[in-house]
Amino acid sequence: DIVLTQSPDSLALSLGERATISCKSSQSVLYSSNNKNYLAWYQQKPGQPPKLLIYWASTRESGVPDRFSGSGSGTDFTLTISSLQAEDVAVYYCLQYYSTPWTFGQGTKVEIK
Amino acid sequence: QVQLVESRGGVVQPGRSLRLSCAASGFTFSDYVMHWVRQAPGKGLEWVAIIWHDGTNKYYLDSVKGRFTISRDNANSTLYLQMSSLRAEDTAVYYCARGRPRGIAARPLDYWGLGALVSVSS
Repeated sequence: DIVLTQSPDSLALSLGERATISCKSSQSVLYSSNNKNYLAWYQQKPGQPPKLLIYWASTRESGVPDRFSGSGSGTDFTLTISSLQAEDVAVYYCLQYYSTPWTFGQGTKVEIK
Repeated sequence: QVQLVESRGGVVQPGRSLRLSCAASGFTFSDYVMHWVRQAPGKGLEWVAIIWHDGTNKYYLDSVKGRFTISRDNANSTLYLQMSSLRAEDTAVYYCARGRPRGIAARPLDYWGLGALVSVSS
């Protein structure tokens, strides 16, 4: 099974600051035949289901604010929130959909300092 | 608009069974792969199972293999998860989620239900 390890487990930043979350995979999730990384990012607020933010590692889902961006390839990925807003307080998860069983990172809790 | 509505969960004794359903609307259900994902109280997300749009292929998390069965009724746009021999560690909120459409190689889960809490306790 592919193991995804996120860091940090939590971070507290001031409004307007940049948030950076890392997701490292135990094996590559880059599919060579189409050159796509099978890696997505989700945001989950308390009492709500997860919301898809980013797929193919860097493609923003429709309606997601452009302060959210994804980068990386192979085994190392990053979710960046360029200017943290109050409504961004949530837990963020990465997901690999390269092979079954699909696996999630353990989550990163983002709070306002 | 796309909607996924899970049936109510409940409290079940260890070793007993429970079936969850997920009613889909707002899209052509039979064109999409569907998934179940669970989240234990205060914990992270865990993928449970996937079923192809026509039900021909199914895959499971190892810890539920042989105990859980995913199925679908395309005529009624409903997804199911039959859970048997339930254990305390199966206690979680169970979400149904939409996967890739037919003909597309892969796509992550884009729409999720609100979830159904299943508590396994004596």
